Amino acid sequence: DQQVKQNSPSLSVQEGRISILNCDYTNSMFDYFLWYKKYPAEGPTFLISISSIKDKNEDGRFTVFLNKSAKHLSLHIVPSQPGDSAVYFCAASEGAQKLVFGQGTRLTINP
Amino acid sequence: SQTIHQWPATLVQPVGSPLSLECTVEGTSNPNLYWYRQAAGRGLQLLFYSVGIGQISSEVPQNLSASRPQDRQFILSSKKLLLSDSGFYLCAWGGNNQPQHFGDGTRLSIL
Repeated sequence: DQQVKQNSPSLSVQEGRISILNCDYTNSMFDYFLWYKKYPAEGPTFLISISSIKDKNEDGRFTVFLNKSAKHLSLHIVPSQPGDSAVYFCAASEGAQKLVFGQGTRLTINP
Repeated sequence: SQTIHQWPATLVQPVGSPLSLECTVEGTSNPNLYWYRQAAGRGLQLLFYSVGIGQISSEVPQNLSASRPQDRQFILSSKKLLLSDSGFYLCAWGGNNQPQHFGDGTRLSIL
């Protein structure tokens, strides 16, 4: 039973354009959501988070949107840069203790 | 600032051999500690987490065990490795209601 799903295994975006990564969840008890970025042979790096009391959180080029009624969150990267090419994982939890991760989406930024 | 160290970075072990992976955290006290595994093409699966010395919770029944002999040390072990234990093992630390931060991982190959 996959509680957190990233249905797009890969995404290709032109440099300078917007990248939109999507994530769906099924557990209505999740109240904390995160996005991580991962390069090969490295651990994931925390990018941005959002609690369920908000619907948007912004940090520089990164914005996370949360739609609780649809159980959907998305990560927007604007503008996309070549260094953004990586695998992106969304994660969810009750109270930020035990994270449940999606399968990841490989983002490729083309010059 | 807080740092997390994992070693070794890569490990090749024969089937049936024992395993010990170590993780240490610096710059924080009484962190929550986590072990995850990423199988090829999959998301991160939580294996164990610990909220204090000697306190271990297992998320997935398996051939592995974890121990926390000191506040900032977390060890993943096995008495006899199976082929299915191959994967990328990640240690993470986090506080309550804060993001988890990951080490660089150990690539374990079982032959």
